[in-house]
Amino acid sequence: DAGVTQSPTHLIKTRGQQVTLRCSPKSGHDTVSWYQQALGQGPQFIFQYYEEEERQRGNFPDRFSGHQFPNYSSELNVNALLLGDSALYLCASSLMTAPGANVLTFGAGSRLTVL
Amino acid sequence: KNEVEQSPQNLTAQEGEFITINCSYSVGISALHWLQQHPGGGIVSLFMLSSGKKKHGRLIATINIQEKHSSLHITASHPRDSAVYICAVSRVDQFYFGTGTSLTVIP
Repeated sequence: DAGVTQSPTHLIKTRGQQVTLRCSPKSGHDTVSWYQQALGQGPQFIFQYYEEEERQRGNFPDRFSGHQFPNYSSELNVNALLLGDSALYLCASSLMTAPGANVLTFGAGSRLTVL
Repeated sequence: KNEVEQSPQNLTAQEGEFITINCSYSVGISALHWLQQHPGGGIVSLFMLSSGKKKHGRLIATINIQEKHSSLHITASHPRDSAVYICAVSRVDQFYFGTGTSLTVIP
């Protein structure tokens, strides 16, 4: 039973570029959340996707966008990269309906470095 | 002000010591989670609790709903316990995370 898989694991971009990160949820999960974790900080909620729609959004600019596909996998896109976007991007999946709503399974993350 | 506050931020202990990490939160919650993050990023869920106490091996988690406070205890600490421990609280549709406690256990 595969857990949450994320790709790529590491990538380097330059300021102004665009990046796409990918996430496949745990089998049986239908909800994907994305988090940004800066060095030395806890994860910060970016947004959550369920039924191919953005359901919740944290305090992130419109440069951060996402998508969820019919197979529940998800992409996170960041445009016009800034140095401050350098972070570990974590994907977590869950099942929207209780009792699964409180159970998050995390991927290993995609570490983005912006030069 | 963060919805979830953890203390201490950093903790160094000798192997065998009893360790306590504290978490306070300010929002209504469905559950509180203790997570472990090893270098490299992977996060593992240790406990999910909404009342009382849970124990798994050398780890014990407690929560006081009235005081909005939780503690994670590690008994007989070991160098392999070295990691970042993150407290998070969940509502039905969103999670809030603390900044984590970085634990180093010295042999």
